Amino acid sequence: DTGVSQDPRHKITKRGQNVTFRCDPISEHNRLYWYRQTLGQGPEFLTYFQNEAQLEKSRLLSDRFSAERPKGSFSTLEIQRTEQGDSAMYLCASSRTPGSFNEQFFGPGTRLTVL
Amino acid sequence: AQSVTQLDSQVPVFEEAPVELRCNYSSSVSVYLFWYVQYPNQGLQLLLKYLSGSTLVESINGFEAEFNKSQTSFHLRKPSVHISDTAEYFCAVSMSYRNTGKLIFGQGTTLQVKP
Repeated sequence: DTGVSQDPRHKITKRGQNVTFRCDPISEHNRLYWYRQTLGQGPEFLTYFQNEAQLEKSRLLSDRFSAERPKGSFSTLEIQRTEQGDSAMYLCASSRTPGSFNEQFFGPGTRLTVL
Repeated sequence: AQSVTQLDSQVPVFEEAPVELRCNYSSSVSVYLFWYVQYPNQGLQLLLKYLSGSTLVESINGFEAEFNKSQTSFHLRKPSVHISDTAEYFCAVSMSYRNTGKLIFGQGTTLQVKP
């Protein structure tokens, strides 16, 4: 069990650029979640996948955001035309199914700074 | 809609003193309740959870939390804290009837343990 990994750990970009983050979940976990955490706040849900299917998206996920999990393993989160308000920590978590009661294991996060 | 309120943003306490971190939630449906901890420069880790049954749940490192349905609270307590307990603590809920596992977090409480 190597845990959930995220890459990169830090990303600095200029406003208007596109960025892509990667998350590798724990290998046998079917579910993968993305959250966003801004300074002084708790994580906010963005979206989740069960295997390769994206089952729910938050209203926080504007049309500039897109997430994929093409083979039901790793996932990518892309932000197009970044804005300063996108600066945050992006967290990925994975869990087994079924059940809301299953523990979510979190990665270390990708910190995005938009200049 | 569900929401979680952590009533204290920072809790300073001396080593070996007791501590309580308060959490209240709002939900029209039954929920599962969680406490997550985030140590400096690390990812979120599950500390303990309440799913059903006994309203008092305990963690392996001496923390406990009690589910109070009438007061919609899930306060976290420890009778004697250590320096190593210094961290950010997040209370979270997920809806038990929906099998999404989506977590709704509070704003977090920073526990600062002083020698």
